[in-house]
Formats: sequence, C-alpha cells, structure tokens
Amino acid sequence: SQKIEQNSEALNIQEGKTATLTCNYTNYSPAYLQWYRQDPGRGPVFLLLIRENEKEKRKERLKVTFDTTLKQSLFHITASQPADSATYLCALDEGGYSTLTFGKGTMLLVSP
Amino acid sequence: KAGVTQTPRYLIKTRGQQVTLSCSPISGHRSVSWYQQTPGQGLQFLFEYFSETQRNKGNFPGRFSGRQFSNSRSEMNVSTLELGDSALYLCASSLIGQGTTYEQYFGPGTRLTVT
Repeated sequence: SQKIEQNSEALNIQEGKTATLTCNYTNYSPAYLQWYRQDPGRGPVFLLLIRENEKEKRKERLKVTFDTTLKQSLFHITASQPADSATYLCALDEGGYSTLTFGKGTMLLVSP
Repeated sequence: KAGVTQTPRYLIKTRGQQVTLSCSPISGHRSVSWYQQTPGQGLQFLFEYFSETQRNKGNFPGRFSGRQFSNSRSEMNVSTLELGDSALYLCASSLIGQGTTYEQYFGPGTRLTVT
C-alpha cells in the first residue's frame, strides 16, 4: 500500500542549530515533492518544491533534498529560530493531473 | 493580492444536519481543492475542481460533494452529518498548467464541530 511517513514525534532543538526533518514514502513515484509549514489553527503555507531530477533546492535558510532511490526527502532549517516552531508537512505529486498527497507532518519546537 | 478566503470560520452542527462551506480562491487561480484535516488522519484530499469540473475525487463517501462556479468560487456540502465529520476543512487554490505541478495556497479553514 502507499505510505508517506514523517516522524510523528516532535523534534526539539535549540535555537541556532540545524533542524532536519524526514519524509519517506513507499509505492509512490513522485514527479515532485513539496514542503509546507502549518501553524496551529491555520492553513498550510507553501515553502519549497523540488522535482524528481533535482537533488537539492535551497531558499534562504531552507534546504530540501530528494533521493528517489532511497525514496526520501530531507528538509533542513539552518540557524533555527523559535519562530520556526511549527508543523512541517511533505506532499507528493505524481505529476500530470494527479493530486497532492500529504504526510501527517512533524512538529518542530525550537527553544531559545 | 487577497489570499484564499473561507466562510464561515467556525460552525457547530448536529448529527443528521447538512452543511455548506464556501471558498473564494486567489484571483486568477482556476483550480480549487478541498481537504479534511483531523488529528488522527492528517490532511486528506476530498476533491479538486478546475473550470467548474470536478477532476479528482478522494476516498470519501457520497455525502461529501462540491461544486465550482464560473468565477472559480467553490462550495462543498456535507449531508447527513456524522460525529466523525468534525474536522478542519481546508480549501486551497492554485495556478494550474498542463503537465506541471503547482504550489497550493490554503485558506484559514472552517472548523466544523458535529454534536
């Protein structure tokens, strides 16, 4: 069966460190992978998109990697800040007119 | 540009009733998707509309339906509400291109509580 797995346990890190979140998938062939941030009681906000033929994508303090052999994406936030505390969702898109399928998300807590 | 708006923001209904939720996408966005979010199941896809046509549908019972109007505004309807329908209902709009992916812009959601 198809599965998207993100760490269900919250990730606690100290301000200034690099946070690394994992998204693993099985029985999908995503053409694209997206990452979103969600704050409590609000809708998700788009952060980054990476294509299957891209290994890495960066935007300011954010970096995403995409390994189609390992079926895994890693999401990094460098120099993390308490304001980065939120739930981070990965979403797969198999391309064409398919829809986005979301993981359940990982909560990140950055303490000062 | 104004973001995606959803009305109402909060709703309390009784089992057996029906409910209609509304979504206004970002101007120029023709694709509107609906999601149900619960703590146990996460974000689950309900359906997607493009140019007034439902193009994709998730694995939800027929009690869940939707439509899109010519101005791209969308509504979703849930009939015969059950306790398990209590959730945050999110609408997202996007630009859509043939064969390309798209980022989705989410509204704030409608929090539905069924008692």
